[in-house]
Amino acid sequence: SQTIHQWPATLVQPVGSPLSLECTVEGTSNPNLYWYRQAAGRGLQLLFYSIGIDQISSEVPQNLSASRPQDRQFILSSKKLLLSDSGFYLCAWSVGAYTQYFGPGTRLTVL
Amino acid sequence: DAKTTQPNSMESNEEEPVHLPCNHSTISGTDYIHWYRQLPSQGPEYVIHGLTSNVNNRMASLAIAEDRKSSTLILHRATLRDAAVYYCILGNDMRFGAGTRLTVKP
Repeated sequence: SQTIHQWPATLVQPVGSPLSLECTVEGTSNPNLYWYRQAAGRGLQLLFYSIGIDQISSEVPQNLSASRPQDRQFILSSKKLLLSDSGFYLCAWSVGAYTQYFGPGTRLTVL
Repeated sequence: DAKTTQPNSMESNEEEPVHLPCNHSTISGTDYIHWYRQLPSQGPEYVIHGLTSNVNNRMASLAIAEDRKSSTLILHRATLRDAAVYYCILGNDMRFGAGTRLTVKP
């Protein structure tokens, strides 16, 4: 069966510090991968999606970037965090443009 | 532009049926209708999907209008654990709207 892992579960970082969140998927090949962010009390905002290694589309221009160094690994990064980067970060996968399955999320607080 | 429209919130009593509506007037012929729900402090989870015919699974039922311009997620007997935000998504749209926040009263 397929599983999706995200870590860390929670993170507290100072403004201006770098960020690296990792997501891995097991049990499937060549999945579509997604990064979403959810600010407190708000809906999900699609940040990046990827249909293959090194094939990444950005939805919202910001100080975040994403990379997919391996088929089932998706990394979200920032060189300098802003206060507005605080939120609940969710990774998801799908087979083609079909049902998405979400990871447990990382709750990031930028102070 | 949002492809679907849902009420911001709904309330239900425990053990009563709940009908959550979704309008999608611009749906294309090949768009599947997906429903997800998000429990507090968790990521969204898949609930059900369909194309034209009504669908049932262990979690819910999906009723799709004949013209496919609307659909309704049906929870047959709401429980307190069904309190969540419910999202209706079309096809390969990866963008989640605000969804419907369902409150279940004991």
